[in-house]
Amino acid sequence: RKEVEQDPGPFNVPEGATVAFNCTYSNSASQSFFWYRQDCRKEPKLLMSVYSSGNEDGRFTAQLNRASQYISLLIRDSKLSDSATYLCVVNTGTASKLTFGTGTRLQVTL
Amino acid sequence: DVKVTQSSRYLVKRTGEKVFLECVQDMDHENMFWYRQDPGLGLRLIYFSYDVKMKEKGDIPEGYSVSREKKERFSLILESASTNQTSMYLCASSNDRGRGVRAFFGQGTRLTVV
Repeated sequence: RKEVEQDPGPFNVPEGATVAFNCTYSNSASQSFFWYRQDCRKEPKLLMSVYSSGNEDGRFTAQLNRASQYISLLIRDSKLSDSATYLCVVNTGTASKLTFGTGTRLQVTL
Repeated sequence: DVKVTQSSRYLVKRTGEKVFLECVQDMDHENMFWYRQDPGLGLRLIYFSYDVKMKEKGDIPEGYSVSREKKERFSLILESASTNQTSMYLCASSNDRGRGVRAFFGQGTRLTVV
């Protein structure tokens, strides 16, 4: 079983739609959780950290469910510029090692 | 702003060549990482380092070695390049200060081995 699993998509949604991605992780000792965004042919960049209590940053909401070992990302009012691959990232606490999911591709259309 | 710089954006090498990929960060980060990214496989960790002269194997270290002689520089070495090492290589750095671990990536090196 992969350490971090994501649905690869693609998710094709119209502008203005709400879309949600889930990610599951296998190591119950995982300590930190993140969503990264990667544009085509570019490097990944941190979108947001995911906190136990859930957190919001503008149109983006991230949640963590430790009992079920999954994290989610909700994007409201999708914009064309949100089209990208969203990477779920988990830190198990082993010397700051980050494990990446394979990513979920989002395509927002007119 | 944190800057992580990789020495080349594109590289073409021949099978059997020794290849050096260089990465430099300017934020005094303790941790540095080398990943490779392939379609359908995502980012896979090759090696990482949490201090000068320290290194740890990641998930796919075979065929690679690393060097960290200075805190700001982390080199990835392909001892004898093979075609299955054709990939996008991404360097990252991070520190452990604050909440969790935040990694900053270089722009990537697309290596083709022919």
